[in-house]
Amino acid sequence: AQKITQTQPGMFVQEKEAVTLDCTYDTSDPSYGLFWYKQPSSGEMIFLIYQGSYDQQNATEGRYSLNFQKARKSANLVISASQLGDSAMYFCAMRGVNSGGYQKVTFGTGTKLQVIP
Amino acid sequence: KAGVTQTPRYLIKTRGQQVTLSCSPISGHRSVSWYQQTPGQGLQFLFEYFSETQRNKGNFPGRFSGRQFSNSRSEMNVSTLELGDSALYLCASSFSGDEGYTFGSGTRLTVV
Repeated sequence: AQKITQTQPGMFVQEKEAVTLDCTYDTSDPSYGLFWYKQPSSGEMIFLIYQGSYDQQNATEGRYSLNFQKARKSANLVISASQLGDSAMYFCAMRGVNSGGYQKVTFGTGTKLQVIP
Repeated sequence: KAGVTQTPRYLIKTRGQQVTLSCSPISGHRSVSWYQQTPGQGLQFLFEYFSETQRNKGNFPGRFSGRQFSNSRSEMNVSTLELGDSALYLCASSFSGDEGYTFGSGTRLTVV
């Protein structure tokens, strides 16, 4: 079974500072993918970054980077130089394979980030 | 290119009615997944369709069903609506599932 845990229901960060959003996962699949999504108050889910379980380097997309520690089963999202527009819910998700051999995506409960001017 | 389109954006239904939600994926994407999002339960996976076949299903009652057409457009149907079905229903598409999923803006369903 797959499980994603986000232990921070809410966080505050000062504008222009960096912030780390925590995500730990559990899976028995040898191959999996980890995602982060942003959900503003409008409701749309915005894809931010992806890390494959076999990727040697941490994924980076602009101000977003994923701190992937496979042995610890963690995939934290780091946002550098926070902006007011970064205020949103952030979801960590994992793609694995279900018992039938098909893809399955599991989401965490989310972290609400608020950027303070 | 056009994103994932979900219609309608908002819907109000009465208990006991049925509802059909529509999702048009990004052109070329063959995988369409549906999620239910509520404040209490978070994001819960409903089902996934790939090339008109349901290949994955979450833990929802049989009142929730879906289908995918040959053009990859997908519909989700909920019969005998209950108050607890009030939620944001999100659709996501991808080419194969190996890359990031693109979500639509969602359909906000309110059951009264």
